[in-house]
Amino acid sequence: EPEVTQTPSHQVTQMGQEVILRCVPISNHLYFYWYRQILGQKVEFLVSFYNNEISEKSEIFDDQFSVERPDGSNFTLKIRSTKLEDSAMYFCASGDLESNQPQHFGDGTRLSIL
Amino acid sequence: AQKITQTQPGMFVQEKEAVTLDCTYDTSDPSYGLFWYKQPSSGEMIFLIYQGSYDQQNATEGRYSLNFQKARKSANLVISASQLGDSAMYFCAMRESGSSYKLIFGSGTRLLVRP
Repeated sequence: EPEVTQTPSHQVTQMGQEVILRCVPISNHLYFYWYRQILGQKVEFLVSFYNNEISEKSEIFDDQFSVERPDGSNFTLKIRSTKLEDSAMYFCASGDLESNQPQHFGDGTRLSIL
Repeated sequence: AQKITQTQPGMFVQEKEAVTLDCTYDTSDPSYGLFWYKQPSSGEMIFLIYQGSYDQQNATEGRYSLNFQKARKSANLVISASQLGDSAMYFCAMRESGSSYKLIFGSGTRLLVRP
């Protein structure tokens, strides 16, 4: 069964540095998402991406964040000038246009900011 | 206002017994979908079951079933014949139409299955 893959599984970065989290969504899916889960808390929506542009973003997704689909297969989340509070699990998900189909999640990238 | 509410932060169940995890939701959209995901301690999100707002019957998927009460805006997950491997966090989520199909999650319920 096709799956969403995320790399790296764990990223440790100094505060103030930039990080890029990578995702390969399921190939025939058209909607792509990033979610964040701070340790012990619920999963929060960050951004959705459709037709090569952001279709919706949450208030968490400020100018520090950006997303890209550089080559038609990868989907990246860039966090500039990381802060301690950016430490979280970041999930990539993809979905198709059928409303009854679930979003498929990757296994997540655990980001630790020191 | 909370769109998805899971009022049970933690639950215990004896192995082989059934357990119900509660979820209530709030939306004015007539077309929406409700999902349950399992998150084991390893952290991944595993899709369990889906219920559409227009579905006439409650969804079932193996040992998982969804007790959908539309008028009460509740979508409780029932796990039958609990197994030790069912110990995990369980998240209820909603997808509204016309919203980029993003998922809105509840705060989760931690289920512990006792041997």
